[in-house]
Amino acid sequence: GENVEQHPSTLSVQEGDSAVIKCTYSDSASNYFPWYKQELGKRPQLIIDIRSNVGEKKDQRIAVTLNKTAKHFSLHITETQPEDSAVYFCAANGGSSNTGKLIFGQGTTLQVKP
Amino acid sequence: EAGVAQSPRYKIIEKRQSVAFWCNPISGHATLYWYQQILGQGPKLLIQFQNNGVVDDSQLPKDRFSAERLKGVDSTLKIQPAKLEDSAVYLCASSPAGYPGELFFGEGSRLTVL
Repeated sequence: GENVEQHPSTLSVQEGDSAVIKCTYSDSASNYFPWYKQELGKRPQLIIDIRSNVGEKKDQRIAVTLNKTAKHFSLHITETQPEDSAVYFCAANGGSSNTGKLIFGQGTTLQVKP
Repeated sequence: EAGVAQSPRYKIIEKRQSVAFWCNPISGHATLYWYQQILGQGPKLLIQFQNNGVVDDSQLPKDRFSAERLKGVDSTLKIQPAKLEDSAVYLCASSPAGYPGELFFGEGSRLTVL
């Protein structure tokens, strides 16, 4: 069935360093790949997304890359800051039925040390 | 614009008891989702509504979970009887018609089953 794998589960970086989180998906029909940030006790919030007709998208310090052939996509955060500390989830849409539902990865806990 | 509203925020019950969660999506959003988020995991879709019809409930444990979306606006998720493994945050999300696209999440209802 549909599945999204996310790595690593935890990531610790020094402030100012870069952080990379990687995801793979199983459904070749998926065409929408969002990334959500969830702070402790808060709701998940969209930070960036990419669609299958684009290979890369950037928004200030955040970028996402997509390799449809290999069925993987990655989140890149540059110049990390302490406020970037949170849990990050990748997701892919359930493309086979195109219902809009999102399948989420297991999450990556990012810690940015000042 | 008001966000997705959920209540209650917290609920503690004994196993075998029942509980109900309520969600009011963003005005005009046709699609409503209930996700279950167990501690340390990514959100898992339980049920998806399009207006007041069910689109996907393939992962809803129908022997104990039920959900409805009367009049295509707010929704209720019920668990009866609850099990220990139902302890989780129940997230409601909504999205406008036409997908795939961003899901807007509520703050969630945290359930503890003792």
